[in-house]
Amino acid sequence: QKEVEQNSGPLSVPEGAIASLNCTYSDRGSQSFFWYRQYSGKSPELIMFIYSNGDKEDGRFTAQLNKASQYVSLLIRDSQPSDSATYLCAVKPGGGYNKLIFGAGTRLAVHP
Amino acid sequence: EAEVAQSPRYKITEKSQAVAFWCDPISGHATLYWYRQILGQGPELLVQFQDESVVDDSQLPKDRFSAERLKGVDSTLKIQPAELGDSAMYLCASSFGQANEKLFFGSGTQLSVL
Repeated sequence: QKEVEQNSGPLSVPEGAIASLNCTYSDRGSQSFFWYRQYSGKSPELIMFIYSNGDKEDGRFTAQLNKASQYVSLLIRDSQPSDSATYLCAVKPGGGYNKLIFGAGTRLAVHP
Repeated sequence: EAEVAQSPRYKITEKSQAVAFWCDPISGHATLYWYRQILGQGPELLVQFQDESVVDDSQLPKDRFSAERLKGVDSTLKIQPAELGDSAMYLCASSFGQANEKLFFGSGTQLSVL
């Protein structure tokens, strides 16, 4: 069973702080990793993707991947109340398994 | 900006009734996905189309669910008969190709079965 695990939260951070969201996955052969943001009652929106070990930055967002530890994270700098949402980690396993496996998501609450 | 269109946005039905959801992917996207998302969980793939062909329906409850994409463009997901446990958000997504994992989601259909 290929699994993606996330802490359900809520993760509460003050406005302006760094929010750190974590995800672990079970399939060591996984190749592609995605972060989706989902506001309450809305559909998921792709915000970051990463394929290689290391960091990838896009504006206030940084995705970090460590394949040896089977760990991917999302950092949000200068967190804003508008960042309050559920963040879904999605992984494409290896071995020709051609679909995304989603975690249950971490709920982030940014308070003023 | 191109979007995945879905309808209806909300659907309330009684158990044992039939329901249908419609999806029109982003123009040029060959791969279309139907996901189900139960409150508090991540989306779970029900069916994946490549053009008009089903490439994965391993998690589709085929005794009551059916999906089609006859001309390789828009798609319909049907449930008959609906059960209480089918209450969930049904999400349609599309991507440019089967190997392109960047999914773009529609607004979803929130189904409530009473």
